[in-house]
Amino acid sequence: DAGITQSPRHKVTETGTPVTLRCHQTENHRYMYWYRQDPGHGLRLIHYSYGVKDTDKGEVSDGYSVSRSKTEDFLLTLESATSSQTSVYFCAISALGGRETQYFGPGTRLLVL
Amino acid sequence: AQSVSQHNHHVILSEAASLELGCNYSYGGTVNLFWYVQYPGQHLQLLLKYFSGDPLVKGIKGFEAEFIKSKFSFNLRKPSVQWSDTAEYFCAVSTTGGGADGLTFGKGTHLIIQP
Repeated sequence: DAGITQSPRHKVTETGTPVTLRCHQTENHRYMYWYRQDPGHGLRLIHYSYGVKDTDKGEVSDGYSVSRSKTEDFLLTLESATSSQTSVYFCAISALGGRETQYFGPGTRLLVL
Repeated sequence: AQSVSQHNHHVILSEAASLELGCNYSYGGTVNLFWYVQYPGQHLQLLLKYFSGDPLVKGIKGFEAEFIKSKFSFNLRKPSVQWSDTAEYFCAVSTTGGGADGLTFGKGTHLIIQP
């Protein structure tokens, strides 16, 4: 398995609070991604990064921000959590972006009350 | 933008039955194609992928898929399923533009194998 960890693995929070999820990789891959998984929707891309401090929006980026200050860490922040952001969040990494396989982390299950 | 359609949201089969899961994509250019599997409570694992070359690709655990360019399809097959194949299966595509290119996923097929 690719060296990807996500923290926390489970979190319960209240509407309106900020939440930060962390993805850490040991593969030194350039590309990192955040997806959310919801029943009936599959996985949808939130944000991605193509290098340190280089990030861009995905399909469902509203309400989320990201930061990447080091190659190994990619942070996803919910500035003010809403119930619609209750989901399972997966981080993925890739050495060559769309030209190569993406490997997924174990996921973070987030419940916003 | 590309999109992916998986025809069956839920499939129930008996052990030893043959499996075919449909996947169609829409995109005017060249794509990379993937099938991922998610076992209950686990993260996504790559089953197989197609980038170029032989359109019939073989993956792990006896799975294979065939890329038919004219039909924009990448169907997943297995000749004889096992109870341990119970999982959710996702078809995904990325473009070959050379950029970061996140994956576009289908909505998934929940496969249940009955002993």
